[in-house]
Amino acid sequence: AQSVTQLDSQVPVFEEAPVELRCNYSSSVSVYLFWYVQYPNQGLQLLLKYLSGSTLVESINGFEAEFNKSQTSFHLRKPSVHISDTAEYFCAVIPNGGSNYKLTFGKGTLLTVNP
Amino acid sequence: IAGITQAPTSQILAAGRRMTLRCTQDMRHNAMYWYRQDLGLGLRLIHYSNTAGTTGKGEVPDGYSVSRANTDDFPLTLASAVPSQTSVYFCASSDPWGRAFFGQGTRLTVV
Repeated sequence: AQSVTQLDSQVPVFEEAPVELRCNYSSSVSVYLFWYVQYPNQGLQLLLKYLSGSTLVESINGFEAEFNKSQTSFHLRKPSVHISDTAEYFCAVIPNGGSNYKLTFGKGTLLTVNP
Repeated sequence: IAGITQAPTSQILAAGRRMTLRCTQDMRHNAMYWYRQDLGLGLRLIHYSNTAGTTGKGEVPDGYSVSRANTDDFPLTLASAVPSQTSVYFCASSDPWGRAFFGQGTRLTVV
């Protein structure tokens, strides 16, 4: 079984400020890790993923996340946010390998970027 | 490519009525999911399917049933709707690396 904890339900920041959205997970097996973004009245979209290799992964719009196995964390960061980054962000895990594809999400963090 | 198609997009349903939410994918993914999204509770897994012919219970399965007769379709049925099932429902599928693709959601109101 696995679980995901997003430590902040809401994060308000000013435009061009840095931001970190925190995610910790618990699992009895190895997992793949993901961040998804949901803009208002839309479905979720994949933002970035960690499958293997380098522990630092990046998205095309400036977000990055670092997998820390010892701390079981996968925090999302951006050095300078824009108004358009306002959205809800979800961390998720899925067992790595085998035939169990149970995808588990955290409760989400609402990022609000203010001018 | 449509990806994940959900129907209907919204529905108002009388309590006690039976309702099936439809979900179809065209990506030939083995894994499919149904989630409900409620304010402050995030996405909660209702049921999932690792492959056609198999299904599994998620975090909040009570009051819901699913079937997976083929790879493409994964309908969710509410046998007798109750107001607490008012929610936004998302269907998703995932590729072998766990990357999930979501539909646009079904907004269900049970009155």
